[in-house]
Amino acid sequence: AQTVTQSQPEMSVQEAETVTLSCTYDTSESDYYLFWYKQPPSRQMILVIRQEAYKQQNATENRFSVNFQKAAKSFSLKISDSQLGDAAMYFCAYRTTGETSGSRLTFGEGTQLTVNP
Amino acid sequence: GAGVSQSPRYKVAKRGRDVALRCDSISGHVTLYWYRQTLGQGSEVLTYSQSDAQRDKSGRPSGRFSAERPERSVSTLKIQRTEQGDSAVYLCASSLGHLGPEAFFGQGTRLTVV
Repeated sequence: AQTVTQSQPEMSVQEAETVTLSCTYDTSESDYYLFWYKQPPSRQMILVIRQEAYKQQNATENRFSVNFQKAAKSFSLKISDSQLGDAAMYFCAYRTTGETSGSRLTFGEGTQLTVNP
Repeated sequence: GAGVSQSPRYKVAKRGRDVALRCDSISGHVTLYWYRQTLGQGSEVLTYSQSDAQRDKSGRPSGRFSAERPERSVSTLKIQRTEQGDSAVYLCASSLGHLGPEAFFGQGTRLTVV
C-alpha cells in the first residue's frame, strides 16, 4: 500500500520569504502522480502543483516549485516570495496512473503554513 | 457547473440517525470520490464510482457508508446509524479519470454527530 508522510505539522514564514514543505512517500509503482493541494479555511482543496513520476524535470507553477527526488521518494514544495494568501493547510498526495484502484488519492497528514506580515 | 458543489455545508445529526450528503460534480467528469477528513486520521477515501455506475466501489470503512449516483454528475453519500466517531469533514471530488489525473474538490460538509 502507498503511504505519504509529511513530517512538519506546522511551518511559518515571513511575508516575501521562501519556505519549503517536506513530503516523502512509499510505493512499489514506477509510474504515478504526485500533487500538492492547498486547503484554506473555506475547506476547499485547491490543486497547487502536479508532478508525473516519469518526468525528470521538476514542475513549476509561478511562485510554486517542487524538488522531486524519485530515488529518495521525496517531493518537497517550495513557495517563493510568500504572500499572506498562501497561509493554509498544505497536503501532499499520491495517485497511481492505473484505474484499478479508482485513482484514489492518498494524502499526507498536512502541514499548516502560517505567513507572518 | 463551474466546480464541485456540496450540500449542506454543515450538518448536525443525532447519534443513530441516518444522514445523506449531496455532491454535484463537474459535468463530464467520470470518477467521483468521497473522502473523510479528521484531525486524527487525516484524509481517507470512503467510496468512489466510475462512469455511470450507480453503486459505489467502497474504500474503507464500508458497511454503514454507501454512495449512490442517481445522475452522472450527482452523488449522495449515505451514512447509516451515525456514531460520534463519524464527526468529520466529508469531501467530494471528481476527475476525468484516465483523461486527467487531477481531482477537483468541493468545499466539504462538516458533520457533527451529537
